[in-house]
Amino acid sequence: EVQLVESGGDLVQPGGSLRLSCAASGLSYSVYSMNWVRQAPGKGLEWVAYISSSGSLTYYPDSVRGRFTISRDNAQNSLSLQMHSLRDEDTAVYYCARENWYLDVWGKGTTVIVSS
Amino acid sequence: EIVLTQSPGTLSLSPGERATLSCRASQSVARNFLAWYQQKPGQAPRLLIYGASSRATGIPDRFSGSGSGTDFTLTISRLEPEDFAVYYCQQYAGEPVRCSFGQGTKLEMK
Repeated sequence: EVQLVESGGDLVQPGGSLRLSCAASGLSYSVYSMNWVRQAPGKGLEWVAYISSSGSLTYYPDSVRGRFTISRDNAQNSLSLQMHSLRDEDTAVYYCARENWYLDVWGKGTTVIVSS
Repeated sequence: EIVLTQSPGTLSLSPGERATLSCRASQSVARNFLAWYQQKPGQAPRLLIYGASSRATGIPDRFSGSGSGTDFTLTISRLEPEDFAVYYCQQYAGEPVRCSFGQGTKLEMK
């Protein structure tokens, strides 16, 4: 069964850092690009980061560029999102998602709360 | 960056009725790289439609997608109780903005 499981969400103070992880199983992980997508409470979906299958190419929206870094370890079937300088508006459920052009497999999400 | 605008914001219908959801793009979506997702409370989004009109694996045939260029539609032919949810359209495979989502349409039971 194809599965993505996120972890690492926590309560963090503004200006703090956090690292999210996503463990992949059953989906030939290394051949797929991966993304992080977030959803603030009561809001819609927002794309946060992209990484190519090899890890050589990454993209970010303006809202997180320079603060967030996506990375992957294909040997470990894992994906990470390192987040720095966190702001109140980064509070959200963070999903990792497999890209097959579209996003066809999603994890259940991990919750990040930025608050003092 | 392509901006997607969904309408209506909320759609109130009864089981058995037909639902028509709209997604309009600020510029043409290349290769019809437009997808639709369903999200229920407390759950992750689920892929319904990709390539504007292809159903994802396991999606019932009451769900259909159509459109091209800047105007896209998701149609649910006969609503089942489990179809009441929020629906998002998404354009994908862009560079450097990899994808963007519409703001969502909430389909609620009348």
